[in-house]
Amino acid sequence: NAGVTQTPKFQVLKTGQSMTLQCAQDMNHEYMSWYRQDPGMGLRLIHYSVGAGITDQGEVPNGYNVSRSTTEDFPLRLLSAAPSQTSVYFCASSRTPEGYNSPLHFGNGTRLTVT
Amino acid sequence: AQSVTQLDSQVPVFEEAPVELRCNYSSSVSVYLFWYVQYPNQGLQLLLKYLSGSTLVESINGFEAEFNKSQTSFHLRKPSVHISDTAEYFCAVSDPNTDKLIFGTGTRLQVFP
Repeated sequence: NAGVTQTPKFQVLKTGQSMTLQCAQDMNHEYMSWYRQDPGMGLRLIHYSVGAGITDQGEVPNGYNVSRSTTEDFPLRLLSAAPSQTSVYFCASSRTPEGYNSPLHFGNGTRLTVT
Repeated sequence: AQSVTQLDSQVPVFEEAPVELRCNYSSSVSVYLFWYVQYPNQGLQLLLKYLSGSTLVESINGFEAEFNKSQTSFHLRKPSVHISDTAEYFCAVSDPNTDKLIFGTGTRLQVFP
């Protein structure tokens, strides 16, 4: 049971570099989302998708891009990394978009440090 | 806007002692409430949820939470904790306007032997 798989687990970037955080799920979930977790701030929604070809912004979208070309994959791109993007990033998926209808399944996270 | 407040950032407790993790939410309209748990180096997992019906909901590992509409609270309790309960616990509410989950800032439960 793979569930939600995130790669890499750790990444160090220099300011201005770009990278893509990968997320894949094998549960045929329509809804996928990206969160960042910061001390004292809990989880904040960055971007989400309710199906292939459809994406939308969450609470903190600036500095991040997403795309959803397949049901399985939902990569998060940082075009020009900044120290403020140092965080732990979680990808999550669920069967339905509504937060109450089905539970969110989370990956194990990517710990990103921007120097 | 909907918000969730977890009053305690850390709760240290000895094994076999009772524990309560507090959660308050802001909305006065009907909401759905959740507790998620994050074990070290893992993603979050759903622990329990309240959608409707009985105000007391239970998890499979002995946790329970009670929905209190008048106090807008959804506190998590366990009568006797184990070392393995050491984790971070997040309260969340479903925003009635967006249907998205709003998470609290988390409470780190540390169980000592």
